[in-house]
Amino acid sequence: DTGVSQDPRHKITKRGQNVTFRCDPISEHNRLYWYRQTLGQGPEFLTYFQNEAQLEKSRLLSDRFSAERPKGSFSTLEIQRTEQGDSAMYLCASSDQTGKNYGYTFGSGTRLTVV
Amino acid sequence: GESVGLHLPTLSVQEGDNSIINCAYSNSASDYFIWYKQESGKGPQFIIDIRSNMDKRQGQRVTVLLNKTVKHLSLQIAATQPGDSAVYFCAETLRYGNKLVFGAGTILRVKS
Repeated sequence: DTGVSQDPRHKITKRGQNVTFRCDPISEHNRLYWYRQTLGQGPEFLTYFQNEAQLEKSRLLSDRFSAERPKGSFSTLEIQRTEQGDSAMYLCASSDQTGKNYGYTFGSGTRLTVV
Repeated sequence: GESVGLHLPTLSVQEGDNSIINCAYSNSASDYFIWYKQESGKGPQFIIDIRSNMDKRQGQRVTVLLNKTVKHLSLQIAATQPGDSAVYFCAETLRYGNKLVFGAGTILRVKS
C-alpha cells in the first residue's frame, strides 16, 4: 500500500446523470476525508469519516451528494442529477489516529466534467 | 493540463535562491498546521507540519515558522530548484484528525 487511491481519474458525464467515485485510503488510516477543488481555489471540505461513522458534513454537501464508508475501509462519493457547477476535482485524503504518524495524505483526485 | 491558480499570488525566484511563502490562517484556536505542494492535475503533497506548541520546525530544505500572535505561517525553501515550481497551500485544523481548512494558495515559479 503506497498511498491513497482514487478511481476514476477522470469522468465526463452529461448533466442530470449520476456519478460515483471511489477512494481507497492508506490501510492503517481510520479517518477518511472528501474535498472538492475548483480552478484557482484551495480544496474545500465536504465530509469525513472515522471508520464507518460519518462525523461531519459541510453545508456545501447538498442533498444530491452522498458519501459512504460501509466497512470502514474504502469510501464512495455519489453525486445525483449532476449539474455543470459540480465540475471540479474531487479529492480524498486519509489520516492516522494512532499518533505514530502525523499528516493527512491526499490521493490524486477524480476530475469531474459535467457537459 | 489546466493551469491551476489563475487568481493566486505568484512568487518568482531564481534557481538556487531561498523562497519564503506566507500564509495568514483564520482561526486562533487551530492546533495543527500543514504545508502542501500541488502540481497541475495532481493532489496536494504533504511537505511539512507543525503543532501550535511549536514556533519552528525544520525538514529537508524546508522550514515552517508559526507566529500565533498574528496568526501567520510561513514556509521557507532553501536553494529553490525548478522542481519546486507548484502551487503551495497552508492548511489548519482545530485538532489533529478533524477537517483541514485550506488557505489561499501561492504559485511558486522558479527561473533557471
